[in-house]
Amino acid sequence: EAGVVQSPRYKIIEKKQPVAFWCNPISGHNTLYWYLQNLGQGPELLIRYENEEAVDDSQLPKDRFSAERLKGVDSTLKIQPAELGDSAVYLCASSFRRGASTDTQYFGPGTRLTVL
Amino acid sequence: AQKITQTQPGMFVQEKEAVTLDCTYDTSDPSYGLFWYKQPSSGEMIFLIYQGSYDQQNATEGRYSLNFQKARKSANLVISASQLGDSAMYFCAIGENSGYSTLTFGKGTMLLVSP
Repeated sequence: EAGVVQSPRYKIIEKKQPVAFWCNPISGHNTLYWYLQNLGQGPELLIRYENEEAVDDSQLPKDRFSAERLKGVDSTLKIQPAELGDSAVYLCASSFRRGASTDTQYFGPGTRLTVL
Repeated sequence: AQKITQTQPGMFVQEKEAVTLDCTYDTSDPSYGLFWYKQPSSGEMIFLIYQGSYDQQNATEGRYSLNFQKARKSANLVISASQLGDSAMYFCAIGENSGYSTLTFGKGTMLLVSP
C-alpha cells in the first residue's frame, strides 16, 4: 500500500513569491492534515480536512495561506506571498477516521521550504 | 502547562544497549491516545507505537515498548537492542477527543546510537 505522497520535496523561492505544496493521502483515508514543522520543534497543525471540508483551520494564517482538498482526496497548500519566516518543513498526514485519541496519523516525507 | 514534555534534548547509547526516552503529558480528557514517532534526517515522520488511555497493558511493537504510567502521566518509549539505524529524532504526541481533534507533539529527543 502506498504511503502519503508529497511534492515537491524541496523548494527554494525568493520572498514575496507564491509557492504551492501538493499531498496525496493514503487511499481510503478520509482525514487529511497539514502540519508546519519549524527547526528543532515538533509539528504543529495548520489545517485538518474531513473529506473535502476544512473542519479545523484555526491555526492557518489566512492572510497569506490557503488550502483546498478537491473531491476529498488530494490537497494543495498555498502561500502567497511567502515571507522569510515561512522557511520550514510542511508535512501532510492522513488517517482513516477522525478520532484523534485512537486514530493513527501517517505522514508524508514533507516539503522543505527555504525562502530567501 | 505543556501538553507534552520531553525533557531530554539528546540521548546517547551504544549499539545493542537499551534506551528509554522520556515523555510526560498533561490532559483533563479521560479518553486520549499517546503516540511515538521517529523522524530520521530524511524528514519523514514514522509511526512507532500507540497507547490508549484505557489500555491495561503496556504497548509493544517489536523492539519498541511503551512504559505507560497513567497516574504519573508518563509514557516513556523503551528501545531494546539499539541499532545504528535508530539514530533519529523521536517525538511523543497526544491525541485527545475533546476540544482538540488532532495530535499535539513534544519538542522531541535526538537519539544517537554509536557503534
